[in-house]
Amino acid sequence: GNSVTQMEGPVTLSEEAFLTINCTYTATGYPSLFWYVQYPGEGLQLLLKATKADDKGSNKGFEATYRKETTSFHLEKGSVQVSDSAVYFCALMINNFGNEKLTFGTGTRLTIIP
Amino acid sequence: DTGVSQNPRHKITKRGQNVTFRCDPISEHNRLYWYRQTLGQGPEFLTYFQNEAQLEKSRLLSDRFSAERPKGSFSTLEIQRTEQGDSAMYLCASSSRTGALNEQFFGPGTRLTVL
Repeated sequence: GNSVTQMEGPVTLSEEAFLTINCTYTATGYPSLFWYVQYPGEGLQLLLKATKADDKGSNKGFEATYRKETTSFHLEKGSVQVSDSAVYFCALMINNFGNEKLTFGTGTRLTIIP
Repeated sequence: DTGVSQNPRHKITKRGQNVTFRCDPISEHNRLYWYRQTLGQGPEFLTYFQNEAQLEKSRLLSDRFSAERPKGSFSTLEIQRTEQGDSAMYLCASSSRTGALNEQFFGPGTRLTVL
C-alpha cells in the first residue's frame, strides 16, 4: 500500500534558523508529492507540490525536491520566521481512475521562537 | 468564492446519538473528498464523490457512516450510533478536473466529540 513517514515533532527553532523536515514515502505506482500546512485555527493549505522525479516545488521560501532514488521529499527553508509556526504534512497522491485521494504523514508541529 | 465551508464547526454528542455534518465545496468543483483526522495524526481518506456519484469508500467507513452528495453540490456525512472512537476532526475537500493534477482545497473541518 501507500504510506508517508515524516519526521517526528515537535520541532522548535529560533527565528532565521535553517529548517529541514524529513519525509519519505512508499507507493505502488508513481506518486505526486505534496506539502500541506495547517496554521493555528485554519484549514489545510497546499504549500508546494512536485509531480515527477527531480522536480522542485517551492513557495513562500520553502522548497522540496522529489527524489525517486531515495523516495524522499524533504521540506527545507533557509531562514524561518515566527509566522511559519504551524503543522506541516507531507502527502502523496496516485490518480486512480480520477480519484486523487491523498495519503498523509502524521504531521510535524513547528514552533519558531523570536 | 469563499472556499470550502463546513458546518457545524464543532459538535458534541453523547454516545449512541446520530450526527450529520455538511460540506459546501467550491462552486463548480465536481470532486469532493471526506477525510478524518484524529489527534496527532494526519488526515485519512474516507470517501470520494465525482459529481453525485460516490466512487470510493475507505475501509475506515463502517456501515454506521453514510455520505451523500445529492445533485453534485453540497455533501453530508452522517454517523449513526456514535462511539467514542468516532471523536475526530472531519475534513472536506474539493477539486475540479482542470488538468493533470488537481489541487484539493480543504474546509476548516468539523470537530466531533463523543462523550
